[in-house]
Amino acid sequence: GIQVEQSPPDLILQEGANSTLRCNFSDSVNNLQWFHQNPWGQLINLFYIPSGTKQNGRLSATTVATERYSLLYISSSQTTDSGVYFCAVAPHTDKLIFGTGTRLQVFP
Amino acid sequence: NAGVTQTPKFQVLKTGQSMTLQCAQDMNHNSMYWYRQDPGMGLRLIYYSASEGTTDKGEVPNGYNVSRLNKREFSLRLESAAPSQTSVYFCASADRAETQYFGPGTRLLVL
Repeated sequence: GIQVEQSPPDLILQEGANSTLRCNFSDSVNNLQWFHQNPWGQLINLFYIPSGTKQNGRLSATTVATERYSLLYISSSQTTDSGVYFCAVAPHTDKLIFGTGTRLQVFP
Repeated sequence: NAGVTQTPKFQVLKTGQSMTLQCAQDMNHNSMYWYRQDPGMGLRLIYYSASEGTTDKGEVPNGYNVSRLNKREFSLRLESAAPSQTSVYFCASADRAETQYFGPGTRLLVL
């Protein structure tokens, strides 16, 4: 089955710093989503982005489908950005396969 | 709109007991999903339903059954709980297989 690898596994930042999270996948996909799981366990969808670039405030994402990777950019990080960021993909259906996540800690 | 709701929030079972996890969405979505999340891991799909009356297995369906009761509700049943089913269970819904919206989760401990 398709493999999803996220890097780095852990990231520690000071408030105000920028960061880039990466998601590599092993096969072509028609569905790619980024999620944020906050410290209380709630999962929030950030982007549905099977290809191209999207921006939402301080967050933006780019997926290069032909090269099988996606990047999530966080600018001017805040403590509320802390949590785990998951990339999830689906080859030809809506059965998402999740990566193991990047744990982000932002300190004041 | 409440979005996706799940009950119960917490549950403790003894090995061999049965229970049903309930999920409901009020966004008129066609697709609904059940996932489990184990410590330090991503989510794994248990079952999903692309529309009312249809269900399909995900990555880890063994030990579970599901029912798509109507368009709003999708339940997950553990017939004979095992300690390996200790996990956090999330329900999600989506429209046209795109953005998935998650419920708050159910923490299940099987002793």
